[in-house]
Amino acid sequence: KNEVEQSPQNLTAQEGEFITINCSYSVGISALHWLQQHPGGGIVSLFMLSSGKKKHGRLIATINIQEKHSSLHITASHPRDSAVYICAVLPNTDKLIFGTGTRLQVFP
Amino acid sequence: EPEVTQTPSHQVTQMGQEVILRCVPISNHLYFYWYRQILGQKVEFLVSFYNNEISEKSEIFDDQFSVERPDGSNFTLKIRSTKLEDSAMYFCASSGQVEQYFGPGTRLTVT
Repeated sequence: KNEVEQSPQNLTAQEGEFITINCSYSVGISALHWLQQHPGGGIVSLFMLSSGKKKHGRLIATINIQEKHSSLHITASHPRDSAVYICAVLPNTDKLIFGTGTRLQVFP
Repeated sequence: EPEVTQTPSHQVTQMGQEVILRCVPISNHLYFYWYRQILGQKVEFLVSFYNNEISEKSEIFDDQFSVERPDGSNFTLKIRSTKLEDSAMYFCASSGQVEQYFGPGTRLTVT
């Protein structure tokens, strides 16, 4: 069983839609990352959070430590948001444990 | 804004050859990492490095792999004798405390 599970695996949306990507994990963590990976392969860190909620532009990330669950929301989605979104957790060690990613395609 | 850089962006090598992947972490960061992503699979941790030594490594990081910080700025990953299954995207990351910042990756193709 994967320690980090994401859903859905694939997501398509029309421009302007509100999008939610979910991440559940089974280990104790000190922090959780949401990452964005574009078709070229590069990874960009969107958020790191250990409690509550963070907002950056149209992106919102929440985490519930008790339920071991995090969500990434995109408001007013745009085709340029099309990418793979990856949840990665940091247990009480050095190494990030990654989910398999959610492939998002936003159509005009 | 400071960023992690990696060179080369793409490396093609023959099986059995040695490769060195280079990373320049963010300058005031103290923790350094290498990750690997085989095509179509999830990103996997390889190794973490702090205070000039390996702090943690995965089972993937066998004797064929080594890391070093040769000059206080570069952070390198060496694969001594590449295998076909080493073909992957290799990401370097660095952190000051907790949040990790990723480089753009090096795509390694072993033929």
